[in-house]
Amino acid sequence: KAGVTQTPRYLIKTRGQQVTLSCSPISGHRSVSWYQQTPGQGLQFLFEYFSETQRNKGNFPGRFSGRQFSNSRSEMNVSTLELGDSALYLCASSLSSGSYEQYFGPGTRLTVT
Amino acid sequence: EDQVTQSPEALRLQEGESSSLNCSYTVSGLRGLFWYRQDPGKGPEFLFTLYSAGEEKEKERLKATLTKKESFLHITAPKPEDSATYLCAVQAYQAGTALIFGKGTTLSVSS
Repeated sequence: KAGVTQTPRYLIKTRGQQVTLSCSPISGHRSVSWYQQTPGQGLQFLFEYFSETQRNKGNFPGRFSGRQFSNSRSEMNVSTLELGDSALYLCASSLSSGSYEQYFGPGTRLTVT
Repeated sequence: EDQVTQSPEALRLQEGESSSLNCSYTVSGLRGLFWYRQDPGKGPEFLFTLYSAGEEKEKERLKATLTKKESFLHITAPKPEDSATYLCAVQAYQAGTALIFGKGTTLSVSS
């Protein structure tokens, strides 16, 4: 069974631009969560989508948004990029929303210059 | 506030030298505790889920245990390929699906 895939794997953007990251969950998984990983803060929860609806949101500014499609694929968007947005963005999929194991993708490394 | 603290931050072992990693947590209403392994440049790899105090899970050289305040990841006779960062995360009832992660323990095993 194929794992979680994320595209692109690496991205370099300039401050003020916007970026869209994509995540395809494991086949049959309907919940997708997004996390930001930085050396200083570690892994922090951004939001979760299930059945095309945002179910939960972490403590991040409104510049961070996402959506989920009917095939469970998800995208995450960051507008007006700041230098501090440089991070590894990880997507995790699980069977459903709730207490299920979350399986992570390889991540998208975003560098903002 | 829900919180997860892992110790030590870094651990160096000789091949075959068993040890334990600690994960202390403060959460109002534990839904589950998760252990992950992360190699450099990769996403976290799921290892175990523990739901209630007294529960234990094993996989090869790894064994995870859970009490009401902490979890331990015991590594028996480690090999160099066990070198990685081990992450602990909790899920709280009031926080939905969100995983709250500790900063991790970076394990280095030398032959």
